[in-house]
Amino acid sequence: DTEVTQTPKHLVMGMTNKKSLKCEQHMGHRAMYWYKQKAKKPPELMFVYSYEKLSINESVPSRFSPECPNSSLLNLHLHALQPEDSALYLCASSQERTGLYGYTFGSGTRLTVV
Amino acid sequence: SQQGEEDPQALSIQEGENATMNCSYKTSINNLQWYRQNSGRGLVHLILIRSNEREKHSGRLRVTLDTSKKSSSLLITASRAADTASYFCATDGRNRDDKIIFGKGTRLHILP
Repeated sequence: DTEVTQTPKHLVMGMTNKKSLKCEQHMGHRAMYWYKQKAKKPPELMFVYSYEKLSINESVPSRFSPECPNSSLLNLHLHALQPEDSALYLCASSQERTGLYGYTFGSGTRLTVV
Repeated sequence: SQQGEEDPQALSIQEGENATMNCSYKTSINNLQWYRQNSGRGLVHLILIRSNEREKHSGRLRVTLDTSKKSSSLLITASRAADTASYFCATDGRNRDDKIIFGKGTRLHILP
């Protein structure tokens, strides 16, 4: 298995909703990442987990809450989002945190906040 | 904050021609990577070049790195319609543990 699987592929949520994005990999990678990407822009790093511990939070608002239940799973919990949070959310993994062997990305979750 | 800047921002060429994209960055790096992204989908890792390497090949891809000029180029030879995508360079920076930073990207369109 050489994939990163993200679910759901599309999500529409209201500003008062609570939802979660899921990411799974079975490559034995020990670093996992959340990126946010707006249209025609590069991905922007949100969070980095290394060996299931949060190692980087790029000053992301608290309405985004990451969770790493085990080495294969990464969640992003969403609560009280704003319309400007609508974007493509990408999960990635790498063998180890320096990414020396490149990152494997999932196909993303297209999030729309209404 | 962005580390890499791709040039040009957009490029349209005829199928069969070669496409060249450039990336410039600001701080010292351990390695530089190139990724491809088809519209609205995840990124695909194309090639990684280390700071002590000057050139690397993978199929129709050729990447060069000039650390003195803090720049890299990606050459796609004999382009195909399927090469239509956005291409991003990504750098780690010697002091940037745990993460890579993406450039703005080049949107490549291959004309039939």
